[in-house]
Amino acid sequence: QSALTQPASVSGSPGQSITISCTGTTSDVGGYNYVSWYQQHPGRAPRLLIYDVISRPSPISTRFSGTKSGNTASLTISGLQAEDEADYYCSSYRHRNTLVFGGGTKLTVL
Amino acid sequence: EVQLLESGGGLVQPGGSLRLSCAASGFPFSSYAMSWVRQAPGKGLDWVSATSASGGTTYHADSVKGRFTISRDNSKSTVYLQMNSLRADDTARYFCAKGTSWELHDFWGQGTLVTVSS
Repeated sequence: QSALTQPASVSGSPGQSITISCTGTTSDVGGYNYVSWYQQHPGRAPRLLIYDVISRPSPISTRFSGTKSGNTASLTISGLQAEDEADYYCSSYRHRNTLVFGGGTKLTVL
Repeated sequence: EVQLLESGGGLVQPGGSLRLSCAASGFPFSSYAMSWVRQAPGKGLDWVSATSASGGTTYHADSVKGRFTISRDNSKSTVYLQMNSLRADDTARYFCAKGTSWELHDFWGQGTLVTVSS
């Protein structure tokens, strides 16, 4: 099953905002509001940042926000901090009871 | 404190089998869906399998259907992944994760490494 499409890398300076896109089809991102975003630091387990497109678990900073338009979901990180440097993955429910991840985006804080 | 502790990984020959376990603690295990997600060395995340809270419904990626089986024992707060007919491209770190629904993973274990090689 083909992965959702994410940019391989993005970068930003401390204090700036960045957006990571996640593009799928009407069979996944565009057809369901079950998009999640995860952060993974090197050698660590992933951490849930956003679920159901826009919802944020209680311990997650309000600097992280999610949106969706058509077949593309987006994660925005505002007030970029050095600790935000990590890999970011989106996932989406896909029809016929499967789940698909994006290829991942490496965020560099300049 | 929520904990998920995976075990059972190791080196196995192509065509062989392994059974992974994930022991859970710190939350009401029988109320949560459980999943396995893998990550090949240097690669991205790849969903493998999931089970409902009761274990009555299971889901598997097309790439592992017919070879892998997820199951759970709520009396032991443990979820399993039986992996048969292993192939080189199954080599990965296998993470166990919990969620309020099967497509959502709100906490992950540290993973167990599976290497398929002759």
